[in-house]
Amino acid sequence: GNSVTQMEGPVTLSEEAFLTINCTYTATGYPSLFWYVQYPGEGLQLLLKATKADDKGSNKGFEATYRKETTSFHLEKGSVQVSDSAVYFCALSDGGNTDKLIFGTGTRLQVFP
Amino acid sequence: DGGITQSPKYLFRKEGQNVTLSCEQNLNHDAMYWYRQDPGQGLRLIYYSQIVNDFQKGDIAEGYSVSREKKESFPLTVTSAQKNPTAFYLCASSLGTGNQPQHFGDGTRLSIL
Repeated sequence: GNSVTQMEGPVTLSEEAFLTINCTYTATGYPSLFWYVQYPGEGLQLLLKATKADDKGSNKGFEATYRKETTSFHLEKGSVQVSDSAVYFCALSDGGNTDKLIFGTGTRLQVFP
Repeated sequence: DGGITQSPKYLFRKEGQNVTLSCEQNLNHDAMYWYRQDPGQGLRLIYYSQIVNDFQKGDIAEGYSVSREKKESFPLTVTSAQKNPTAFYLCASSLGTGNQPQHFGDGTRLSIL
């Protein structure tokens, strides 16, 4: 079945450092891919999405490219801020005519001044 | 502003007691979902509903029940049969047309007294 694998955290960075959080997937068909962010004590917020191969999703300085050849959707940001500290979840649509998602286990990012 | 409202934010349950968590959305979404999140863990799907008066079990439905009598409402009951109910519960909704993102509420934290 479909699955998502994320790099384990926590990822600890200094402010203005470059961020990469790895996400790879296994899927049949042509799923959509998503990154969500969760701040402490809150629900998940959609950060960005990509619906087909080679699409690049971007939002708030974050980017991720749908790479079908490597089955990856890595999250990147050129210069992180303390306010980016949160848990990041990679997810893929489970296919068919539903919006069911399969989530990765989440990666905690800690950014220090 | 459209969104998803979960209430209460914090809930306490005595042993042997059923409790109901509320989830309301005004996004005109057809599909709704309930997830459970344990500390440091990812999301696990409890129940989902693609349309009014219909719902399906997710991966961990035992000890939980739901109803979907109105499009905008999808309450979750945590029954006394759920032996380890302490967790963060998240409700989400989506268009339900396939490969669409889910939108989340701010969650309810349930604890046992």
